[in-house]
Amino acid sequence: AAGVIQSPRHLIKEKRETATLKCYPIPRHDTVYWYQQGPGQDPQFLISFYEKMQSDKGSIPDRFSAQQFSDYHSELNMSSLELGDSALYFCASSLLSGGTGDTQYFGPGTRLTVL
Amino acid sequence: AQKVTQAQTEISVVEKEDVTLDCVYETRDTTYYLFWYKQPPSGELVFLIRRNSFDEQNEISGRYSWNFQKSTSSFNFTITASQVVDSAVYFCALSESQGAQKLVFGQGTRLTINP
Repeated sequence: AAGVIQSPRHLIKEKRETATLKCYPIPRHDTVYWYQQGPGQDPQFLISFYEKMQSDKGSIPDRFSAQQFSDYHSELNMSSLELGDSALYFCASSLLSGGTGDTQYFGPGTRLTVL
Repeated sequence: AQKVTQAQTEISVVEKEDVTLDCVYETRDTTYYLFWYKQPPSGELVFLIRRNSFDEQNEISGRYSWNFQKSTSSFNFTITASQVVDSAVYFCALSESQGAQKLVFGQGTRLTINP
């Protein structure tokens, strides 16, 4: 079965640079979520989109923005990168309108390293 | 506010032993979902189970079983006859039932199965 696709899988950036992470949800899923997982930490919710509209927002820095496009893929844009942004970034998708509840299926993650 | 507590930071057992991972949650919602995810050393988050707050029936899937007790706000996970491949970090998570709601994760339990 098709899974959530994230690209790139690894990304190395310098401080103050920008980064764009991409997420392609499971086909026909209508909701996308972004999470950040620091080393040894649990995943922390950043933001979510339902049918291309922002549906919920967590502790996402103002330097970060995200959107969901007409083909349902999503991008997380990160500017003025800081050392503390180094983490594993997960995208997850779910089908809220399908009656299966909000089971979120995660992509493999993008490991961002800021030097 | 929602909160998930996994008091066991690390567990180490010998292969073939049974092991139980504890999860205690807090929420003011009457309807919610509980989840378990597995994060192997490769880093991805693998969905294991989703339980609706109205369904307290325990579930067994092969060597895995889950015990949901609403009275004690617990959703414990037992692995029977553990195997080395079960070594991973296991996360318990909670979400509200309405809308595209975020997952709130516990701190995770690192399980090591020794041969």
